[in-house]
Amino acid sequence: EDQVTQSPEALRLQEGESSSLNCSYTVSGLRGLFWYRQDPGKGPEFLFTLYSAGEEKEKERLKATLTKKESFLHITAPKPEDSATYLCAVSEMNTGFQKLVFGTGTRLLVSP
Amino acid sequence: DTEVTQTPKHLVMGMTNKKSLKCEQHMGHRAMYWYKQKAKKPPELMFVYSYEKLSINESVPSRFSPECPNSSLLNLHLHALQPEDSALYLCASSQDRGVREQYFGPGTRLTVT
Repeated sequence: EDQVTQSPEALRLQEGESSSLNCSYTVSGLRGLFWYRQDPGKGPEFLFTLYSAGEEKEKERLKATLTKKESFLHITAPKPEDSATYLCAVSEMNTGFQKLVFGTGTRLLVSP
Repeated sequence: DTEVTQTPKHLVMGMTNKKSLKCEQHMGHRAMYWYKQKAKKPPELMFVYSYEKLSINESVPSRFSPECPNSSLLNLHLHALQPEDSALYLCASSQDRGVREQYFGPGTRLTVT
């Protein structure tokens, strides 16, 4: 069965202090990797889809990259409003239907 | 527009009650999902509907009964729940059953007393 591990579990940054979140995966043939942001008590918000090693996607202060074994979410000059839990998920096909296998997330806190 | 709506936002029910959660999307998506999320845990898949047909049931207890009346609506009927069923229930949709991003609703916070 596919496995997804995220690190660190929690991360505290000062405003403007850039860093990276890691998502490592063990799958039998990656079909897609997804990044989501989740605020407390709310549903996950879709950020990026990555399909193949070497692919990169950017959105404002966020940049997602993908290798054959892991993905990184780089946060450049974060602001307090970037505080959230960031979830990584891989696509697992189950009898022809997609199932997302989520990691346990990284809780990010950005202080002013 | 990538909006999925869910009602109610909060629900408190006793163990003998019957209630329903509702989910709606107008993106023309043909796959819809129910997830359960406990505090500080990732979402866990419960059910998958594709073209209004139940396609995956992740061994969910029968006290949870899903229904897909049409391509835009998804319901989750609840009956005789246990306190451990208290959680955030999330609905999601995707373009189809393939490798696609899923768009989540805001969730229903369910408390079983």
